[in-house]
Amino acid sequence: KAGVTQTPRYLIKTRGQQVTLSCSPISGHRSVSWYQQTPGQGLQFLFEYFSETQRNKGNFPGRFSGRQFSNSRSEMNVSTLELGDSALYLCASSGSPGQGDGYTFGSGTRLTVV
Amino acid sequence: GENVEQHPSTLSVQEGDSAVIKCTYSDSASNYFPWYKQELGKRPQLIIDIRSNVGEKKDQRIAVTLNKTAKHFSLHITETQPEDSAVYFCAASRPGTASKLTFGTGTRLQVTL
Repeated sequence: KAGVTQTPRYLIKTRGQQVTLSCSPISGHRSVSWYQQTPGQGLQFLFEYFSETQRNKGNFPGRFSGRQFSNSRSEMNVSTLELGDSALYLCASSGSPGQGDGYTFGSGTRLTVV
Repeated sequence: GENVEQHPSTLSVQEGDSAVIKCTYSDSASNYFPWYKQELGKRPQLIIDIRSNVGEKKDQRIAVTLNKTAKHFSLHITETQPEDSAVYFCAASRPGTASKLTFGTGTRLQVTL
């Protein structure tokens, strides 16, 4: 059974640009959550999608947005990139949003903003 | 919102010794407490979790204890091995939102020979 797949693995962008990251959950999983991991702030929750609807949102500015498609694949977008957006972006999938069982992380996308 | 504090930030033990990592949470409504292990350059992996209706859970060399009154939970690793060296994160979430985790700041565990 394939795991959570995130693309691309690495990305370098310039300040002011925008970026789109992709996450394909484990087959059959309908809940996808996104996290930002930095050395200073640790792992911080961005948002969660289930059945194409955003269920929860963390404390990030509106430049961070996401969506989920009917096949449960999810994308997150960051507009007007800032240097502080450099981080490892992780997505995780689970069968349902409330249970936590089978909550599996992808390998992440490492975004560097220069 | 929820706040999770984790101690210590670094921990060095000799192979075969036990390691204990402690976390404190602020939201008394939290009821799901997973622990993740993250090796260098790799994704976090769930190693054990506990729900608020249970006080202790064990899986081979790993155990987690939960004290709801004091709002803290701990990870215990016995007979540590070099492959246990990694960063460990605790997390907490409220009912119905187990996919929205608040993480602790992590503990870097080093197991020396």
